[in-house]
Amino acid sequence: ETGVTQTPRHLVMGMTNKKSLKCEQHLGHNAMYWYKQSAKKPLELMFVYSLEERVENNSVPSRFSPECPNSSHLFLHLHTLQPEDSALYLCASSQDQEDNLGGGYSPLHFGNGTRLTVT
Amino acid sequence: AQKITQTQPGMFVQEKEAVTLDCTYDTSDPSYGLFWYKQPSSGEMIFLIYQGSYDQQNATEGRYSLNFQKARKSANLVISASQLGDSAMYFCAMREVNFNKFYFGSGTKLNVKP
Repeated sequence: ETGVTQTPRHLVMGMTNKKSLKCEQHLGHNAMYWYKQSAKKPLELMFVYSLEERVENNSVPSRFSPECPNSSHLFLHLHTLQPEDSALYLCASSQDQEDNLGGGYSPLHFGNGTRLTVT
Repeated sequence: AQKITQTQPGMFVQEKEAVTLDCTYDTSDPSYGLFWYKQPSSGEMIFLIYQGSYDQQNATEGRYSLNFQKARKSANLVISASQLGDSAMYFCAMREVNFNKFYFGSGTKLNVKP
């Protein structure tokens, strides 16, 4: 089973549709993230959940609504999106604690992403 | 100020040669982690290598090594013996003491020529 699985891989939706992106991690991590990657732009952090509590919300429009029912699953609910929301949406997970006294940090493990097109 | 700066939008390298991708970072925390990721055209972000701020030695993973110069706040990625499959976007990232925050650079697109 792949570490972080995202579905669907591709999604085309109209501006009036409601859809959801799903992410599942099999790594036993306690933090999950949503990132947006638009063409020719850096990765934008959208939401962070740590121990199933939302700990970061980077001024994301309310048409994006995250849900984290448990530490293994993360959803991004989409409604009334705009064409500029077309992008690659990446889910990631990590272990939120220092690995060792030397200040070790665990990396983000990403899914394959969902390529979203809003028409 | 930008936390992570990658000044090379694009680079070319001949197959089998070594290439260095630059990364500088900005933090006032004494403890932090530095990461490099590879993103092929298919989109997935692949973790390559990690360097902790307290690590005395430069990290190495196979053909990847991280040239860590703490005083200069640089964490350059060195790929030895480039292969055609190395053609991709490469992102430098940093994680600070606030564990939930990862900062990414704008990336470097590497093209390996046969």
